Amino acid sequence: GESVGLHLPTLSVQEGDNSIINCAYSNSASDYFIWYKQESGKGPQFIIDIRSNMDKRQGQRVTVLLNKTVKHLSLQIAATQPGDSAVYFCAERASTDSWGKLQFGAGTQVVVTP
Amino acid sequence: EPEVTQTPSHQVTQMGQEVILRCVPISNHLYFYWYRQILGQKVEFLVSFYNNEISEKSEIFDDQFSVERPDGSNFTLKIRSTKLEDSAMYFCASKSGSHEQYFGPGTRLTVT
Repeated sequence: GESVGLHLPTLSVQEGDNSIINCAYSNSASDYFIWYKQESGKGPQFIIDIRSNMDKRQGQRVTVLLNKTVKHLSLQIAATQPGDSAVYFCAERASTDSWGKLQFGAGTQVVVTP
Repeated sequence: EPEVTQTPSHQVTQMGQEVILRCVPISNHLYFYWYRQILGQKVEFLVSFYNNEISEKSEIFDDQFSVERPDGSNFTLKIRSTKLEDSAMYFCASKSGSHEQYFGPGTRLTVT
């Protein structure tokens, strides 16, 4: 399944399938991006980050892709598991912001079905 | 693994009352932040704090809000006279010189 930007806030994925969560950002001055996972009642948990001088970065079961031309960020989760059910937020930091303030997107709810 | 902690986990207060939300950032971190999340909405930046002073604040962070680092470990957010619209989850975050911010579990503030 695929979630496009902020217009499809819920992504339903079958266990074992790959998930793709998309995020559009607006600030062309942003140079650092993070994906956070938020489970119900908990704080955002860091998943993976990427700097603007890269277009791809891989972690454990996750890959972040950055397309600066169209200001688009995506998170791919391989072999989605029930524990991946959560809200996923992308966040960006402007290069002009030396204090590291993060601007969050609206989030995508991922629901993993058996 | 070190983590950011916050207390209390849930605070209920009456409108007009003062509340203090407490955070213990990760011990070697130098940059501290407060964010809030109104139910069902995205996480919003409130304030950043470095070298014992506010480095940046958002429009939300008006005169009713203040932050303090009273000692070497705690970082607090005070709301002087709470309003109904202050009801939200408040998250503390901290970071070292790297970019990654670590978030606490949050305090749910309910203003009645």
